[in-house]
Amino acid sequence: DIQMTQSPSTLSASVGDRVTITCRASQSISSWLAWYQQKPGKAPKLLIYDASSLERGVSSRFSGSGSGTEFTLTISSLQPDDIATYYCQQYNNYWTFGQGTKVEIK
Amino acid sequence: EVQVLESGGALVQPGGSLRLSCAASGFTFSTYAMTWVRQAPGKGLEWVSGISAGGSNTYYADSVKGRFTISRDNSKNTLFLQMNSLRAEDTAVYYCAKVTGRYCSTSCFPFDFWGQGTLVTVSS
Repeated sequence: DIQMTQSPSTLSASVGDRVTITCRASQSISSWLAWYQQKPGKAPKLLIYDASSLERGVSSRFSGSGSGTEFTLTISSLQPDDIATYYCQQYNNYWTFGQGTKVEIK
Repeated sequence: EVQVLESGGALVQPGGSLRLSCAASGFTFSTYAMTWVRQAPGKGLEWVSGISAGGSNTYYADSVKGRFTISRDNSKNTLFLQMNSLRAEDTAVYYCAKVTGRYCSTSCFPFDFWGQGTLVTVSS
């Protein structure tokens, strides 16, 4: 099974900061990686797929990069509406989620 | 507008059974794979099971293999999850989600639309 490890587990930043979340796969998954945003009490929302493709309707403040085993999600300028937990997901071999990164406002 | 709506969550005793349903609308249900994902209270997301567009291929996480069965009725645009031999650790909100592809081949696909979830509580 492919394991996904995110870091950090919690991130505290100021409005306007550039924020980066890292996701590592236990083996190569090419570019078969997605990022989701989940706000409290809500369903997850697809942000990025194929490692770097922005889902329709998602703010261009979000971007993804990486391939193989190392991936990043970047929020270019953190906004209050971005407060959420972010999950990476591999879909190279069925599906596995990372453990999540909670983003807070400092 | 794409919508998926889960139902069937309940309080059930350990060892019991439950059947979840997911009614889909706003897209051609029979041309997309579907999946179930769960989230235990205060925990992260865990993929549970998936099914191909036509229903001939099913996929399960090791944690539920042999206990859960996924199925679909394309004539009624409905996805199901039959859960047997339930355990306390199966307690979670169960989400139904639409997969962006038809089936897994050399790779699978991400999930683009999710329901709001249905709560399953396994407790005596």
